[in-house]
Amino acid sequence: EAGVAQSPRYKIIEKRQSVAFWCNPISGHATLYWYQQILGQGPKLLIQFQNNGVVDDSQLPKDRFSAERLKGVDSTLKIQPAKLEDSAVYLCASSPPGPYSSTEAFFGQGTRLTVV
Amino acid sequence: DQQVKQNSPSLSVQEGRISILNCDYTNSMFDYFLWYKKYPAEGPTFLISISSIKDKNEDGRFTVFLNKSAKHLSLHIVPSQPGDSAVYFCAAQNTGTASKLTFGTGTRLQVTL
Repeated sequence: EAGVAQSPRYKIIEKRQSVAFWCNPISGHATLYWYQQILGQGPKLLIQFQNNGVVDDSQLPKDRFSAERLKGVDSTLKIQPAKLEDSAVYLCASSPPGPYSSTEAFFGQGTRLTVV
Repeated sequence: DQQVKQNSPSLSVQEGRISILNCDYTNSMFDYFLWYKKYPAEGPTFLISISSIKDKNEDGRFTVFLNKSAKHLSLHIVPSQPGDSAVYFCAAQNTGTASKLTFGTGTRLQVTL
């Protein structure tokens, strides 16, 4: 079974530039998550999709971050414009339906973003 | 507001001994708790979980203990093996609210020979 695919693995950009990350979840997984992990901290949920609808985006900085999940499969996360404090690993995860869907969340390898 | 806390950023244990990783939480609405393991350059992987209706859950070498009154849980690994060296994240969930996970800051475990 193929895992959660993310690209790119690494990205270095200058502040005020824009960047986009892509995620392909495990086939059949209805729930998709984007997490931000800043160095020395635990992952923080940015947005959660159920199929192509948003379930939770309460911690997404909507003035600069956006995410979409067209057709309920792949997802992209965009930052525009980037700030220095956006330097982090961006993790995508997916899970099948169920009451404890987060328990079975499978994470991708992440995209390490460095903003200089 | 750090609702899930792992106060030990690192832990070193000899191979064969017991590793004990601790986690404290402040939100009494959390009713499901999980441990994730993360190797460098990889995403976290689920390790073990426990519901608030239990005080212990065991899976092979891994046991999680929950003390609800103290809002404290711990992960015991026995015997510890070099392959257990990784960062361990504690996470908590309120299953009544869209299954959002709140993670702690992680504890880096190093198992030495």
